[in-house]
Amino acid sequence: GDSVTQMEGPVTLSEEAFLTINCTYTATGYPSLFWYVQYPGEGLQLLLKATKADDKGSNKGFEATYRKETTSFHLEKGSVQVSDSAVYFCALLMIKAAGNKLTFGGGTRVLVKP
Amino acid sequence: NAGVTQTPKFQVLKTGQSMTLQCAQDMNHEYMSWYRQDPGMGLRLIHYSVGAGITDQGEVPNGYNVSRSTTEDFPLRLLSAAPSQTSVYFCASSSKGDRARGETQYFGPGTRLLVL
Repeated sequence: GDSVTQMEGPVTLSEEAFLTINCTYTATGYPSLFWYVQYPGEGLQLLLKATKADDKGSNKGFEATYRKETTSFHLEKGSVQVSDSAVYFCALLMIKAAGNKLTFGGGTRVLVKP
Repeated sequence: NAGVTQTPKFQVLKTGQSMTLQCAQDMNHEYMSWYRQDPGMGLRLIHYSVGAGITDQGEVPNGYNVSRSTTEDFPLRLLSAAPSQTSVYFCASSSKGDRARGETQYFGPGTRLLVL
């Protein structure tokens, strides 16, 4: 079945450091890929997305490129802020005749210290 | 638009008690889903609905019931709560068009449930 694997946290960084969160997926077709962010005490918010190979999603300084050859969708940010402290989820969406399914990775907690 | 709303925000239950988690959306979305979030396991799909009167099981449906009598509402029922159901529950919705384009879902703020 479809699955998403992302690096376990927590990831602790200093402000202005470079952030990378690895995400790889397994799918039987060509999924859409997403990164969600969950700030403390809040629900999930869509951070960025890519719907086909080589697409780059970007938002709030974060970027991720859909790499079909390596089945990856790694999240990067060049200079993190304390406000980026959150849990980040990688997810894929498969469109199927029986109904679409959104599959999540386990989440990576990021803590940015001043 | 209020988006996706969930009530209550937090609930404590004793084993064997029943309760209903409420979810409502005002975006006229056809698709609605319930997920549970557990540490290190991401979100897992409990039940989903593709329209009023139509529901189906997700990945972890045991112990939960749902119904969809209106487009707006999608309540999740725990008939006899167990400690294993301690989790954070998220409701989500999306439109048929969004789904067809491979778009994502809109999530509610979550309900934190503790079963003692």
